[in-house]
Amino acid sequence: DGGITQSPKYLFRKEGQNVTLSCEQNLNHDAMYWYRQDPGQGLRLIYYSQIVNDFQKGDIAEGYSVSREKKESFPLTVTSAQKNPTAFYLCASSIILNFNEQFFGPGTRLTVL
Amino acid sequence: SQQGEEDPQALSIQEGENATMNCSYKTSINNLQWYRQNSGRGLVHLILIRSNEREKHSGRLRVTLDTSKKSSSLLITASRAADTASYFCATDDQGAQKLVFGQGTRLTINP
Repeated sequence: DGGITQSPKYLFRKEGQNVTLSCEQNLNHDAMYWYRQDPGQGLRLIYYSQIVNDFQKGDIAEGYSVSREKKESFPLTVTSAQKNPTAFYLCASSIILNFNEQFFGPGTRLTVL
Repeated sequence: SQQGEEDPQALSIQEGENATMNCSYKTSINNLQWYRQNSGRGLVHLILIRSNEREKHSGRLRVTLDTSKKSSSLLITASRAADTASYFCATDDQGAQKLVFGQGTRLTINP
């Protein structure tokens, strides 16, 4: 059963803490993406990776970091430098880095207490 | 800046009626996509229309693209309660190598 999984579904963080959101895909896709979605808003691109060991900043990369050590995995760390991290985070993948269909995970809702 | 902007922001109709959502964008594109998002879930790809296409169908979905007006519409015919969701258009931004999503139309189908 192919797809993208994200964990956890809900995450609570105290101010000043770093947290890491997991994203795994078994679709054999080269490209992976992280988006942030705020209530009633569209998606904003945080980081993307077109191949293992390579990633690029998106529109709102400040306060976030990523790694791409394996093709299947693209974890996102929300650092204490991110001043307003409460949001819904979505991971996606596509066959290659292009502008065609992206496959999305179910999302992680992060709340800062 | 947002490339795609959907209109209306919210739409409520009765089951069985048709729903039409519109998307406008600013720059030249290669393709335009529509996605659906159920509340609290990830996005699901619905349909992609290329810049040299004017209309495309998929089941109860009909998408049109007018590149001269930089606009697209998504028509859902014979709506069902299960169509209740937010619908987003996404366009390609060649310069920035990314998809740009609009703010979405929140569609509610009343039984």
